[in-house]
Formats: sequence, C-alpha cells, structure tokens
Amino acid sequence: EAHLVESGGGLVRPGGSLRLSCAASGFTFSSYWTSWVRQAPGEGLEWVANINQDGSEKYYVDSLKGRFTISRDNAKNSLYLQMNSLRAEDTAVYYCARIVAAAGTWDVWGQGTTVTVSS
Amino acid sequence: DIQMTQSPSTLSASVGDRVTITCRASQSLSSWLAWFQQKPGKAPKLLIYKASTLESGVPSRFSGSASGTEFTLTISSLQPDDFATYYCQHYDNYLYTFGQGTKLEIK
Repeated sequence: EAHLVESGGGLVRPGGSLRLSCAASGFTFSSYWTSWVRQAPGEGLEWVANINQDGSEKYYVDSLKGRFTISRDNAKNSLYLQMNSLRAEDTAVYYCARIVAAAGTWDVWGQGTTVTVSS
Repeated sequence: DIQMTQSPSTLSASVGDRVTITCRASQSLSSWLAWFQQKPGKAPKLLIYKASTLESGVPSRFSGSASGTEFTLTISSLQPDDFATYYCQHYDNYLYTFGQGTKLEIK
C-alpha cells in the first residue's frame, strides 16, 4: 500500500527557515510527480509546488516563488520542501501528495506536518 | 488564472437527503476537475476525478458531473460518515487550484 509520511514541522520565528521531508513507501516513488499542499488553520487547501519524476521540472504557486524550493531524492524515496524567509501567514499543515498524471490530481496523501511561524 | 468559485460555503442536511455542491470556473476549462472530502484533522480524500470518474473504493452514492463551466458533486443519499468539508480542485498546465470548500453539516 502506498504511504507518505511528512516530518520536519515545528515552531520557527518570522524570517527563519525550515526544511520539510516526506518519506514514501509502498510504491515506485521515482515514477511519480509529487506535490506539497498546505492548509492554514481553519482555512482551505492551497497547492504549493510540484516536482516531476527526476526533479528536472518544478512548478510553484505564484505567491511563494523565490521563498520555497521543492526537491527530491529518489535514492532515499524522499520529497523535500525548503522554506525560507518564513512569515506568519505560512503557518499551516503541510501535506505531501502523489500525483496521478492521468487524473490531474492526487490519490495518496500524507498525514501532514504542522509549521507554526511565530515570535 | 482560472478561479474556482464553490457554493454553498455551508450546507445543512439530514441523513438520507440528496445534496449537490457546485464549483464554477471563471472561464471554460477542460474536465480536469476533482472533488475531495476532508474530515477534521485528516488529509483530504479523493472522491472523483476528471469531473465524473469515481475513485476506486468510493461509494456509488457520490457522483460528479459537468456542464460548461459548472461542475457538481452530488451525494444521492447522505450517510452519517459523509458530514465533512468538500473541495473542488482544478488542474491546468502543471498548476492546481482549489475551491473555497463546502462544509456539510448535520441539520
């Protein structure tokens, strides 16, 4: 069974950095596009970024370009999100998710990791 | 950018009711439209993709349809487990957009 597990969340001060990780298991990680999606407290879902199978293509929501970087290590079956210059409005649960290209959406999600940006 | 307007934002209904949630696109788009269910503290769960294809394992009381720029999610007979928040999601050229969500509450 396909499984994704996020880690790396926590409390960080405004202006700080954090790196999230997502460990994949139960499927051939290197065969899938994957994403980060976030959800601020009490708010809706927001797509953050995508990365293709070998890491050569990356796409970001316009509002986050330049501060966040998505990457992956297929040898470690892992997805990452480097978050810099963090702001209070980045406070959210961050999910990693597997893309099904033929469906234009995500079929497997992690349980999420919480990032809190506060002084 | 395509905007997705989801309505209603809140819906009160009873077990056994038939309910419909609508997602309207700001411009004509392809059928790359999905619906998710989310319960508090949990990750979203895929229900329907490509506007009307039921994800494996999802009960058949859930259905999706499309007409022009309007997409609908219908639950034919509400069950207690269906009270949750529902989101539409559109895909276009490697970019993804969610609707604002519809909270389905028990009347």
